[in-house]
Amino acid sequence: KAGVTQTPRYLIKTRGQQVTLSCSPISGHRSVSWYQQTPGQGLQFLFEYFSETQRNKGNFPGRFSGRQFSNSRSEMNVSTLELGDSALYLCASSPDPVGGAETQYFGPGTRLLVL
Amino acid sequence: GDSVTQMEGPVTLSEEAFLTINCTYTATGYPSLFWYVQYPGEGLQLLLKATKADDKGSNKGFEATYRKETTSFHLEKGSVQVSDSAVYFCALSDPNNNDMRFGAGTRLTVKP
Repeated sequence: KAGVTQTPRYLIKTRGQQVTLSCSPISGHRSVSWYQQTPGQGLQFLFEYFSETQRNKGNFPGRFSGRQFSNSRSEMNVSTLELGDSALYLCASSPDPVGGAETQYFGPGTRLLVL
Repeated sequence: GDSVTQMEGPVTLSEEAFLTINCTYTATGYPSLFWYVQYPGEGLQLLLKATKADDKGSNKGFEATYRKETTSFHLEKGSVQVSDSAVYFCALSDPNNNDMRFGAGTRLTVKP
């Protein structure tokens, strides 16, 4: 099976712009989670989508949003970019964890640099 | 809320040395516990996991045992290799949702 894919792998934006990142989960996985990784804050949970609905949300401002399509592919959007948004954004997919936690499988990430 | 604390790095070892990376957790329920590894320039890869108390996860010579009494999940390897150089993350996942909490990560460097 193909792994989790994320596009683009690298991105450079300027402050105030917006950005959309894409994630294709492993075939058959219906849950997609997004994380932000920075040297200072480590790995932080952004949100999780399942069946096109946001099921969990981390503690990030409303500038961070996402969605999931019927084929389970997911996008996240960051509006009005700030310098502090520079990070590695990781997407992870897992099967529907009915009644139990499931392993998450991570993509290679999108490295975003905000100038 | 649930959280994970792991030993701070960096950790530098010589090849064939014994490795321990400590991890403790705080959780209200009965989480699943994981170790992930991140090689330079890559995403996270699952190394091993344990889903209930006293379970031992193992993979590629690495082991960790889910200790409920000490709320710990320490990672061990008997003989490290240069290729084990990476950042290791301890994590927990609440069985009621998919919100995975990660430790800060421990950078391991193995020298020949």
